[in-house]
Amino acid sequence: AQKVTQAQTEISVVEKEDVTLDCVYETRDTTYYLFWYKQPPSGELVFLIRRNSFDEQNEISGRYSWNFQKSTSSFNFTITASQVVDSAVYFCALSVNTGGFKTIFGAGTRLFVKA
Amino acid sequence: DAGVIQSPRHEVTEMGQEVTLRCKPISGHNSLFWYRQTMMRGLELLIYFNNNVPIDDSGMPEDRFSAKMPNASFSTLKIQPSEPRDSAVYFCASSWLGGSGNTIYFGEGSWLTVV
Repeated sequence: AQKVTQAQTEISVVEKEDVTLDCVYETRDTTYYLFWYKQPPSGELVFLIRRNSFDEQNEISGRYSWNFQKSTSSFNFTITASQVVDSAVYFCALSVNTGGFKTIFGAGTRLFVKA
Repeated sequence: DAGVIQSPRHEVTEMGQEVTLRCKPISGHNSLFWYRQTMMRGLELLIYFNNNVPIDDSGMPEDRFSAKMPNASFSTLKIQPSEPRDSAVYFCASSWLGGSGNTIYFGEGSWLTVV
């Protein structure tokens, strides 16, 4: 069975602090995809990044960076120099092939960035 | 390009009434997903289709829920009869299954309140 765990329910930081959101996944499949999505207060779900199981290269996009480690089944997300606009719920997701790609989500981490 | 389009955006209905939620996936996508989001249960996958065929409906909570995809550009999620515990945000999402990835893109959601 597949599972995504986001142990941090809520995180509160002050603007300009760095913050890391943790994601641990479980799957027996060797081919899978990992994702992060952002859900701002307006409610839409915005895709941030996708990683496949064969690509452990870390990625940086502006103030965002992602650290994928298969050895610990983790796919953590760091926001550098956080801003108030980063306040949102962030979801980690796992997609595996079950006759089609089934994507399941973690419970989400609510990030509050205070000015 | 237009994203995933859902209707209605908001619906308030009385217990016992039939509710139909509609979704138009992104043109060219061949997978479609219905998710439900509540505070208690987070983002739950209800059902997904590949090439208009239901692949996994194990997340559909009860027989009161049904989903159809009569063609590649339209899907419905029906609740009959509705109950107050069905109040949630229902997201439709689509993806292109194949090639380099299966990133799912979400609609803006249908906010359902059953009173």
